[in-house]
Amino acid sequence: NAGVTQTPKFRVLKTGQSMTLLCAQDMNHEYMYWYRQDPGMGLRLIHYSVGEGTTAKGEVPDGYNVSRLKKQNFLLGLESAAPSQTSVYFCASSYSFGSTDTQYFGPGTRLTVL
Amino acid sequence: GENVEQHPSTLSVQEGDSAVIKCTYSDSASNYFPWYKQELGKRPQLIIDIRSNVGEKKDQRIAVTLNKTAKHFSLHITETQPEDSAVYFCAASLGGSARQLTFGSGTQLTVLP
Repeated sequence: NAGVTQTPKFRVLKTGQSMTLLCAQDMNHEYMYWYRQDPGMGLRLIHYSVGEGTTAKGEVPDGYNVSRLKKQNFLLGLESAAPSQTSVYFCASSYSFGSTDTQYFGPGTRLTVL
Repeated sequence: GENVEQHPSTLSVQEGDSAVIKCTYSDSASNYFPWYKQELGKRPQLIIDIRSNVGEKKDQRIAVTLNKTAKHFSLHITETQPEDSAVYFCAASLGGSARQLTFGSGTQLTVLP
């Protein structure tokens, strides 16, 4: 099992450019999440999905869009990148049933917006 | 929404000593409290979690305590080792939904040999 993987690992954008971050998981998890991590601020939830075809806003959704067309993939899009979106982005996934709620994280994508 | 405060932001201990990190939360409906460890340049990984119907949970050198009345929970690491050096994050579920977590700002733990 690869677990949770993210593509790309690093990316540099210019202000106004767009890009898509891909998250994939092979654990058959229903729930998937996108977080951003900034120094001194912990992890903040951007968007999440409770199943294929569904998405919902988290704590800091502005400037981002997401899609969950397949159960194993969760895409995060930036339509017009801004320097304030410079961050490390983590994807995570978890089961939707049972007693375990562990969120498994991907390796992260370091994004710099110039 | 939920607000989680974590203290201290940095903590240095001698190898073999204990370390304690504390978090407070605001949403009385929160019922799930995980702790994650993140080594430099790596992904966060769950080390222990606790639900609101339990006051304490232990796993070898790691323990978590929860005081629902005071809305605070703590991570205790005993007999610290250099490999315990990392950033530790607490989190609390949003409004009883274990699937939405609000994280604390993290504690940089350094274990001095």
